[in-house]
Amino acid sequence: GAVVSQHPSWVICKSGTSVKIECRSLDFQATTMFWYRQFPKQSLMLMATSNEGSKATYEQGVEKDKFLINHASLTLSTLTVTSAHPEDSSFYICSGVVGTVHDNEQFFGPGTRLTVL
Amino acid sequence: RKEVEQDPGPFNVPEGATVAFNCTYSNSASQSFFWYRQDCRKEPKLLMSVYSSGNEDGRFTAQLNRASQYISLLIRDSKLSDSATYLCVPARYDKIIFGKGTRLHILP
Repeated sequence: GAVVSQHPSWVICKSGTSVKIECRSLDFQATTMFWYRQFPKQSLMLMATSNEGSKATYEQGVEKDKFLINHASLTLSTLTVTSAHPEDSSFYICSGVVGTVHDNEQFFGPGTRLTVL
Repeated sequence: RKEVEQDPGPFNVPEGATVAFNCTYSNSASQSFFWYRQDCRKEPKLLMSVYSSGNEDGRFTAQLNRASQYISLLIRDSKLSDSATYLCVPARYDKIIFGKGTRLHILP
C-alpha cells in the first residue's frame, strides 16, 4: 500500500509552547488528508478534514484556532497544536486518500505521540 | 444514536480457535463497510472492504446482512498476531468515523 509518514514520531514539550506535526504522503498525491486524535483506551477521533489549498473542515468540538491545519500541497499537511497544555497530550494520526474514502483506501501515518508537561 | 455498535470485549480466545465479531449499524442506507484492525499505540490498518454481501481473504471472512443490519467478521485458525482491536466502519464519501471497536486477545 501507499506510504504516509509523520514527523516527529514523538514529542515532549512544555505547557504553553506550540508543536507542529507534519504528515507527508510519500508515493501518492493525497487529495484529502485527515487528522485524528486518540486518547488512551479511547477511539480514534476525527479532528478535521483537509483539502489541498483550502481551509480545513473541523469536527464539532475541535477548536480551529488551537489546532491549526495547513495543507500546502498534495503531499504535505501540517497540524500545529498552539499553546499546548497537558490535556492535549495524545496520539495524533494523519491519513491521506486519493478521491473519496468510500471508494479508495485511506492510508494512515504511524502517528505522533505528544506529551505536554 | 451511534452509527455502529460493537461489543467492546475483550474476547479472549485460544490460539487456533475460530472467533466471530458482530457489528450492528443504524443507517439502513449504508451500502458498504470496512473492517480495520488497530494494534496498541499504532495506526489502524485496513483489513477488508465489504461492498456486497460479503468478502473473504484467507482466514478472514466478512458477511453483510442488510435485513438485520449487521456485519460480521470471522477469523479462522486464529494466530497470536491477530490480537488487536477490530473496528467496523461504514463507508462514507466524505470521512471515516471510528468507534471503539472490539478487542481481541489470542491466548497461547
